[in-house]
Amino acid sequence: AQTVTQSQPEMSVQEAETVTLSCTYDTSESNYYLFWYKQPPSRQMILVIRQEAYKQQNATENRFSVNFQKAAKSFSLKISDSQLGDTAMYFCAFIINNNDMRFGAGTRLTVKP
Amino acid sequence: DTGVSQDPRHKITKRGQNVTFRCDPISEHNRLYWYRQTLGQGPEFLTYFQNEAQLEKSRLLSDRFSAERPKGSFSTLEIQRTEQGDSAMYLCASSLDGQNTEAFFGQGTRLTVV
Repeated sequence: AQTVTQSQPEMSVQEAETVTLSCTYDTSESNYYLFWYKQPPSRQMILVIRQEAYKQQNATENRFSVNFQKAAKSFSLKISDSQLGDTAMYFCAFIINNNDMRFGAGTRLTVKP
Repeated sequence: DTGVSQDPRHKITKRGQNVTFRCDPISEHNRLYWYRQTLGQGPEFLTYFQNEAQLEKSRLLSDRFSAERPKGSFSTLEIQRTEQGDSAMYLCASSLDGQNTEAFFGQGTRLTVV
């Protein structure tokens, strides 16, 4: 089965600190892309960052970066200098062989002032 | 183009009634997804279209559910004989073809079956 697992239902972090959200996935395919999406309270889902599986270099978008460990099938998201606006549900997702996008159960992140 | 729009935003219906939701994707996007999301959970894949072709349906999509995208533009999701377990947020997303492309989500339709 091709699955995405987020083992941390909830996390919290102090404003300006760094937090890492975990994600593992299971697939036997080699052609896939990984994503982190953010869903703020009562607002629509938006893309945070994406990673091509064939690239060894970890993706970075401003304060957001990933730690992609292909052999371990791990794709964690690091948020640096956390801001109050980062409070949201975060979902890990993948697309395999250009098929449909599958999501994990999510991690609720709260940034505390 | 203001993004993906879904209509209605909220729907309350009695058990056993049929409901239909509409999704208007970003105009040049040829891929369209439907997901169901319950409170505190991740989006569950229902189905997706490449242009007008429905390429995959989840086992979650029972025979009471049907989706169409007749001209490769807007899409409808119909639920027949609604049950209380159908209460959820129904999300639509669209993207360009290609697995490295960003999916843009609508704000969803919240269905409550009473």
